[in-house]
Amino acid sequence: QSVLTQPPSASGAPGQRVTISCSGSRSNIGRNIVNWYLQLPGSAPKLLMFSNNHRPSGVPDRFSGSKSGTSASLAISGLQSEDEADYYCAAWDDSLNGPVFGGGTRLTVL
Amino acid sequence: QVQLVQSGGEVKKPGAAVKVSCKASGYIFSNYGISWVRRAPGQGLEWMGWISTYNENVYYTQKFQGRVTMTTDTSTNTAYMELRSLRSDDTAVYYCAKFNVLVRSLDYWGQGTLVTVSS
Repeated sequence: QSVLTQPPSASGAPGQRVTISCSGSRSNIGRNIVNWYLQLPGSAPKLLMFSNNHRPSGVPDRFSGSKSGTSASLAISGLQSEDEADYYCAAWDDSLNGPVFGGGTRLTVL
Repeated sequence: QVQLVQSGGEVKKPGAAVKVSCKASGYIFSNYGISWVRRAPGQGLEWMGWISTYNENVYYTQKFQGRVTMTTDTSTNTAYMELRSLRSDDTAVYYCAKFNVLVRSLDYWGQGTLVTVSS
């Protein structure tokens, strides 16, 4: 199983707000920044959020990130059908000396 | 614009090796690392390791130590990942990604290369 823990699925109606959690430990999220990736069906992953709460250019401000202690979360407001995708959190792990991913959360827009 | 273009899909027999290439453009190749990540069917993303394009230092996750080799060719801005002793559970889409060491993020990704291991 993955070092970082995410719920396997999440869902919401169009226009609603959804939050995806990511739980880790002191050696990863507790000491390092969290990044989030989005993978649309049939596409390569894409960086969605870096350094906990910074959006790369082109990512709408409907997406926001936060981190507290050994957990992080990604919030998506104003859900749209095109937000249906797999979402992954990632953080550097000092014990493993490399990045670790969460297992991914499949978001369904109802 | 930044682009990472990977080589095409491969079908290999168990025990064989595969070498995937990743040609980068649109940025200074030696300023960023290259990471390799894979996604097996029905699984999540799995980080395999990364290589510094500046000094070719490599780091491989323990799972792949001894089976993987990552290299770069700075004359062509191309990175390579070779995986040996292939097993059926190595069937996956393999991605290269530009690794921003400062924030430890994978900020651009290749399109992926499907490697199928089947007898």
